[in-house]
Parts: sequence; structure tokens; C-alpha cells
Amino acid sequence: GQQVMQIPQYQHVQEGEDFTTYCNSSTTLSNIQWYKQRPGGHPVFLIQLVKSGEVKKQKRLTFQFGEAKKNSSLHITATQTTDVGTYFCAGPVQGAQKLVFGQGTRLTINP
Amino acid sequence: DAGVIQSPRHEVTEMGQEVTLRCKPISGHNSLFWYRQTMMRGLELLIYFNNNVPIDDSGMPEDRFSAKMPNASFSTLKIQPSEPRDSAVYFCASTVSYYGYTFGSGTRLTVV
Repeated sequence: GQQVMQIPQYQHVQEGEDFTTYCNSSTTLSNIQWYKQRPGGHPVFLIQLVKSGEVKKQKRLTFQFGEAKKNSSLHITATQTTDVGTYFCAGPVQGAQKLVFGQGTRLTINP
Repeated sequence: DAGVIQSPRHEVTEMGQEVTLRCKPISGHNSLFWYRQTMMRGLELLIYFNNNVPIDDSGMPEDRFSAKMPNASFSTLKIQPSEPRDSAVYFCASTVSYYGYTFGSGTRLTVV
């Protein structure tokens, strides 16, 4: 079935370093969504990308959607301790009204 | 808006007991999803409803699991009988037009 893969699974950085997580789909996506889950919390919607090659920024977070609409990335510049958590990408399943989530990238930060 | 409301927040039950998880979606949202999260399997979609109608329950692990949505403001997920392998965090999420799910705080279920 349709799969969404994320790498890396874990990432540990020093505070102030940059962080990037990558998302790859086995099929072309109509859109891709990103979520953040803090430790012990629930996933929170961050953003949706729709257009091929689209780039969106939210403060220190930069989201990209690939030209082929099969991959995406989230880049955090100068990480802060508040960025700790697991970042998930999710894409809609073709022909169905539901999302398939990647396994997530767990970010930990050394202050 | 209070967001998606789930209850209980924590549930500890003995194997074989019936467990009922509850969810109140955001008013005006027409789609509701039940997810299960474990370390091993990540976020798994169990079932989703559109306009209170079950659309896809292919993720429901087995007949011990059932879900209902009797009206637009309430849904339940029932496990009967419960087993230790059902221990997980169960999330309910709602959305309108499949843009940006809003998740509840989850129910942490422990079956002993």
C-alpha cells in the first residue's frame, strides 16, 4: 500500500545547530502536511503544502515540497529547546479521504 | 473553542474487561478519525467517519474493536474484551475538508 517514509528516525543536536527531516512518498501526493508532537503530547498541525516546488516559512522553520510532489523536507534553523519533539509528515491516500503518516523524526536537543 | 475533547485521559483495566473511549470533535468539523499510537507501529489509523458515517474501518485490528458516531458531536471507540497488546495511546482527530487535523489529547490505555 501507499507508504510515507521519514528519515532520520532520531536526531540529536546541540542547541543552536540546524536540523532537517526528510519525507518520501511511494506515490505522488496532492498535498503534504507536517505535524509536531511534543513529548507526552498530541500531534499538532503545522502546515500544508500543495504546489510542486512550494516553499513556506514559519519563523525558523522552512518547509519544502518537491517538484515531483513525492518528497518534502522540514528544516529548522538554530534549534531551541522548545523545538524538542517528534515531527511527522503525512500525505493523503490516493482515492481515499484519509492521511497516511510517516514514522516521524524524533528531535532531542542538548542545551 | 475547546478543541477535540477525549475522555478518559488515562485508563487502566484488566485483561478481558470492556473499555470505552470517548471523543467530542470540534463543532463544524465533518470528519472524525481514531488513531492508535505505539512505539513499535507509530500512528495507525483505525477508522474514520465522514458526516457521522463510517467510511473506512480497515485499520480496526479485529472484531474486538468497534466504533460509533451517533451524532456530529460524539464518537466512541470500544474494545471488548481488552487484551494487553491493546495498550497504547488512542487519539481522536477531527477536520473539515481534510485540511489540518486537530488531535485530542489522547487516552493512554493500559491493559494489565
